[in-house]
Amino acid sequence: EAGVTQFPSHSVIEKGQTVTLRCDPISGHDNLYWYRRVMGKEIKFLLHFVKESKQDESGMPNNRFLAERTGGTYSTLKVQPAELEDSGVYFCASSQWRGTYQETQYFGPGTRLLVL
Amino acid sequence: AQSVSQHNHHVILSEAASLELGCNYSYGGTVNLFWYVQYPGQHLQLLLKYFSGDPLVKGIKGFEAEFIKSKFSFNLRKPSVQWSDTAEYFCAVESRNAGNNRKLIWGLGTSLAVNP
Repeated sequence: EAGVTQFPSHSVIEKGQTVTLRCDPISGHDNLYWYRRVMGKEIKFLLHFVKESKQDESGMPNNRFLAERTGGTYSTLKVQPAELEDSGVYFCASSQWRGTYQETQYFGPGTRLLVL
Repeated sequence: AQSVSQHNHHVILSEAASLELGCNYSYGGTVNLFWYVQYPGQHLQLLLKYFSGDPLVKGIKGFEAEFIKSKFSFNLRKPSVQWSDTAEYFCAVESRNAGNNRKLIWGLGTSLAVNP
């Protein structure tokens, strides 16, 4: 079974540019999460999809961030325009809801974003 | 606000030494608790998890953790570390609200270096 994959692994862009991160969850996983770790800080939740619907986007920093999950498969996270403080590692995770409150999230390798 | 505190940010041990990494959380409800590990150059992997039942849980590679409800703690232990345990270790608690929004709240992480 393939794990969660993310693309690209690294991205270096200039302030004001646009970057799109992609996440492919484990096949069959309805839940898809985005997290971010800024250097020196803890990993923080950004948002949660259930299939194609945004279940919780309370962690999105501002309206420069746009996440989509068309068709309920892969997800994209677009940052437009990027700012210096957006630099960090963006993690994607997926899980399968089994009808109990016992859910394990499986993580991708992350995308390292550096905004210059 | 819900939070997770990891007491040790950097730990250096010699091989065969015993390891204990502290984790305390603040969360009022029923908790699901996790330890994830990130080996150099790899993605976050689940080390072990606690949902319910026996508060002493065993994970991969000889790790175990004990959930002590009265102390709001979930400390990670290993009796004898190996060089290959060099990694960053993250404690996380699952936050869940009445709307069934779920997310992981993370500690800052502990960087463990094991000297051969």
